[in-house]
Amino acid sequence: AQSVTQPDIHITVSEGASLELRCNYSYGATPYLFWYVQSPGQGLQLLLKYFSGDTLVQGIKGFEAEFKRSQSSFNLRKPSVHWSDAAEYFCAVGAGNNAGNMLTFGGGTRLMVKP
Amino acid sequence: GAGVSQTPSNKVTEKGKYVELRCDPISGHTALYWYRQSLGQGPEFLIYFQGTGAADDSGLPNDRFFAVRPEGSVSTLKIQRTERGDSAVYLCASSPRQGNYGYTFGSGTRLTVV
Repeated sequence: AQSVTQPDIHITVSEGASLELRCNYSYGATPYLFWYVQSPGQGLQLLLKYFSGDTLVQGIKGFEAEFKRSQSSFNLRKPSVHWSDAAEYFCAVGAGNNAGNMLTFGGGTRLMVKP
Repeated sequence: GAGVSQTPSNKVTEKGKYVELRCDPISGHTALYWYRQSLGQGPEFLIYFQGTGAADDSGLPNDRFFAVRPEGSVSTLKIQRTERGDSAVYLCASSPRQGNYGYTFGSGTRLTVV
């Protein structure tokens, strides 16, 4: 069974600083990987996804993530954080087959942005 | 509709009562998912529908939980004899077809059992 670990429960960065949120996954085959963002009272919004090909993927809102198979990681990055990026971020892994495409989520990282 | 609609947005119920949570997916989306998000945790898969049938209900925690999608569109998650541990946000998502990770999530129903 697949699993996802987000080691950092909370992260605080200053506005304009760079950001990296960590994600480690466990899955026996090539995973499908996702990052979602959740603002208070809102549903989950997809930031980006990796299925195959180029291991550096670009997403919305200036986010990117890099798939590193050797480290079983899919870390999310942003070069300059805006106050509106404060939210909860979830990494997720899919089974990579047609058997329903359920997602397994990590526990989330809450990002706070200092002015 | 334009997005996935979940009603009610908030539900407070007494322990032991029965509740129904509704999900109205995007029109034409054949796949529908229910997830549960407890406080401070990531969403956890409950059940998945492809059309009218429950293709995978392996995430339902016990037989107090049941879900239906009788016409392949709206789905209802039903919880019998609610317990305080059932308190969570219940999220619904839909996608255009099986084999597609193009989920759109609803805003969820926050269930509080007192």
